Amino acid sequence: DTAVSQTPKYLVTQMGNDKSIKCEQNLGHDTMYWYKQDSKKFLKIMFSYNNKELIINETVPNRFSPKSPDKAHLNLHINSLELGDSAVYFCASSPHGLNTEAFFGQGTRLTVV
Amino acid sequence: AQSVSQHNHHVILSEAASLELGCNYSYGGTVNLFWYVQYPGQHLQLLLKYFSGDPLVKGIKGFEAEFIKSKFSFNLRKPSVQWSDTAEYFCAVTPRGSQGNLIFGKGTKLSVKP
Repeated sequence: DTAVSQTPKYLVTQMGNDKSIKCEQNLGHDTMYWYKQDSKKFLKIMFSYNNKELIINETVPNRFSPKSPDKAHLNLHINSLELGDSAVYFCASSPHGLNTEAFFGQGTRLTVV
Repeated sequence: AQSVSQHNHHVILSEAASLELGCNYSYGGTVNLFWYVQYPGQHLQLLLKYFSGDPLVKGIKGFEAEFIKSKFSFNLRKPSVQWSDTAEYFCAVTPRGSQGNLIFGKGTKLSVKP
């Protein structure tokens, strides 16, 4: 019973391609996130959705577009992939409220060649 | 801008040694504080968290952390580490009311020698 699940776990693709990463949570949480972990292990938030509404949109190229069809899903679509997009992308979710913690998925290792 | 500093990039210890990992944050308001652990090839797991109350919090696997408000610090400690504690440790803060926007430190890699 994986709480936050991402697919695929690994993704190798060529520059210029378009790809999507899917995320689903079965925790009933209202808020979902995408984080990027670079090669130096630094984690930074990219997007946050609360009940399908975008609430955080950090400085991310507009080639990255999140889509939330319902509050249990937050997918990440990336257009025109570049070498610098290679990273591990983590999906996370948290319940509504101020004193909450985030639960992370297993991560998707994206390699652009 | 808010930031989190973890002072040690890589810590190498022998089993049974004591551990303390430093974490300082810069934010003038009220924060929630977290330590996450990432075992090799795995996702982040919550070790412990502080929202309010007793500034000494205990987490899983024998870890604890102390929030010192005057020093803007939330250091992680464990009296006796094990080989299985080898992992990357991340300190994170959320300004209260920011809807869970976690700001992470750059992480500290802990290597425990058997």
